[in-house]
Parts: sequence; structure tokens; C-alpha cells
Amino acid sequence: DAGVIQSPRHEVTEMGQEVTLRCKPISGHNSLFWYRQTMMRGLELLIYFNNNVPIDDSGMPEDRFSAKMPNASFSTLKIQPSEPRDSAVYFCASTYNTEAFFGQGTRLTVV
Amino acid sequence: AQSVTQLGSHVSVSEGALVLLRCNYSSSVPPYLFWYVQYPNQGLQLLLKYTTGATLVKGINGFEAEFKKSETSFHLTKPSAHMSDAAEYFCAVTKAAGNKLTFGGGTRVLVKP
Repeated sequence: DAGVIQSPRHEVTEMGQEVTLRCKPISGHNSLFWYRQTMMRGLELLIYFNNNVPIDDSGMPEDRFSAKMPNASFSTLKIQPSEPRDSAVYFCASTYNTEAFFGQGTRLTVV
Repeated sequence: AQSVTQLGSHVSVSEGALVLLRCNYSSSVPPYLFWYVQYPNQGLQLLLKYTTGATLVKGINGFEAEFKKSETSFHLTKPSAHMSDAAEYFCAVTKAAGNKLTFGGGTRVLVKP
């Protein structure tokens, strides 16, 4: 298995633009997590899904952020409109049972 | 609610010396505990985990950790540091399979020659 695949690896966008981050979890994994990592706040859970259903989105910063999981093999995290404070590395992880496998992350820079 | 505290955001060790990274957790139910390692510009990789059973858990790259319920701790050790151990290490807790992982703030390890 290729592991958790995230795209793009790097994204630079202007303030106010829409940004869409993508994640393909490992086949057979039934939970998917979106995390954000910054120097100031460390690793923060944004939202997670079990069997494609959002379970806890309390970590989503505000209405500008939205996440979907239309099927077991794909998820998106969208920021609209983006702001400079959204600059961070965004990680997707999938789990089967207890162990979480992380993607390589998307480094987002909003200028 | 669950939480994780890692004592020391930075640790410096000499090559060949003991590596000790501290992790304390709080959880309302018996926890599942994890240590992850993150190399620069990489995602997180699992080093080891405790779910049930033996409280001394061995992981990859010579690391091990011991679950101590009475101390609510899950400290990570390695007897002899290598230069390749320089990375950031994260302790994490969850209360059930498929539940959210809560991470500590991370400890960055520097290995001196």
C-alpha cells in the first residue's frame, strides 16, 4: 500500500482565495483525521470521520473551514476564503483499529 | 477529556548517551498510548504503542516505553542515542480505537557528536 496520500505537498495562495487540500486514506481504514501543525499551537485535530461520517468537528477554527468525505477513499479540507493565519502544515491520517498512519502533509502558505 | 503533557520541548543528548523523553497523560478511561516520531518535512511515524497487556513496550529503532498507571506516565527511552535519532517526538493518547488522538506538545531531540 502506498500509505496515506495527500495533495498537493505545497500550496502557496493569496489571501482571499479558496484552497482545497486532498487526502486518500489507506484502503480498508475506517477512520480519517485532519490535523493542523504550527509552531505556536503544535498538532491540533480539526475534524475526524468514522465510516465517512463526521464525528467531531469541534476543532475546525471557523466557518471558513469545511471538510467532506464523500466515500471511503477520498476526503477534502477546504478553506474559503483563506487568510495568512491559516498558514500551517495540514496532515491527514487514517486508522484501522488503534494505529494512525499519517500522510506527508500539505504545507500551506497564504500570502 | 484527555490530555498529554510532554516535559521539555527540547532535549539535547550526546551520541551514545541515554535518551529519556517524558510523557504524562490524563484520561477518564484506560488509555491507549502512542509515541510518534517526526523527521523534518515528514509526516508522523509510529514508534510504539500500548493498548493492553505487557506494560513495557518495545518499538522500532531501539526505543521502548513503559506504561505506569500509578504515575499516569508513558516515558520513552533508548539506551544509546544515534545521530539519526535527531527528530521531534510526540506522545499521544486515545480512549478507544477509531477515536481521536490527542497529542502532546512534542519534544525536539538534538544529538551531539
